Amino acid sequence: DQQVKQNSPSLSVQEGRISILNCDYTNSMFDYFLWYKKYPAEGPTFLISISSIKDKNEDGRFTVFLNKSAKHLSLHIVPSQPGDSAVYFCAALLTGTASKLTFGTGTRLQVTL
Amino acid sequence: DTEVTQTPKHLVMGMTNKKSLKCEQHMGHRAMYWYKQKAKKPPELMFVYSYEKLSINESVPSRFSPECPNSSLLNLHLHALQPEDSALYLCASSLKGVYVNNEQFFGPGTRLTVL
Repeated sequence: DQQVKQNSPSLSVQEGRISILNCDYTNSMFDYFLWYKKYPAEGPTFLISISSIKDKNEDGRFTVFLNKSAKHLSLHIVPSQPGDSAVYFCAALLTGTASKLTFGTGTRLQVTL
Repeated sequence: DTEVTQTPKHLVMGMTNKKSLKCEQHMGHRAMYWYKQKAKKPPELMFVYSYEKLSINESVPSRFSPECPNSSLLNLHLHALQPEDSALYLCASSLKGVYVNNEQFFGPGTRLTVL
């Protein structure tokens, strides 16, 4: 049972435009969410996180939005750059479960010139 | 030092070999993790150590044996692996113990091929 889903396997965006990556979850008990970026043959790189008590968190070009009622979060990248081309994973945590990250299936972002 | 390092970067082994993967961090992180990632799939948790004690074993076969010699080091001992164990093995660490929500920081991984 996939508790965290990224329904778009791939996304192509022009350089300078906004990239919006989406993530849905089914377990309403999740209370901490993270986004990671991954290049081929490398480990995931932590980007940004958000606690369930917030609905928005911003760090430079990256903003994460959380809609708890819809069990949906999104990552906005503005402006998109060619170096942002990678696979993006969202992940969720449930307090008290020993930091067991539940990852989504990933979205491949391609930023074109 | 703000990173998680893993050695070796690549490893090829036969099914009868014994080898070890090594992970190191000097950020004072108190929890360390082993993940396995197959192509086009998300990482899957294998083991978690918190304050040098094994907190989680996700029903991993005994041919994988973790070890945490100290707060900075995490090993994964491999013995009698199968070809289906070929994958990218990722180590991660987090600042706080595992029962507090906090970010995990990943190493670059070891690409393991079992022949």
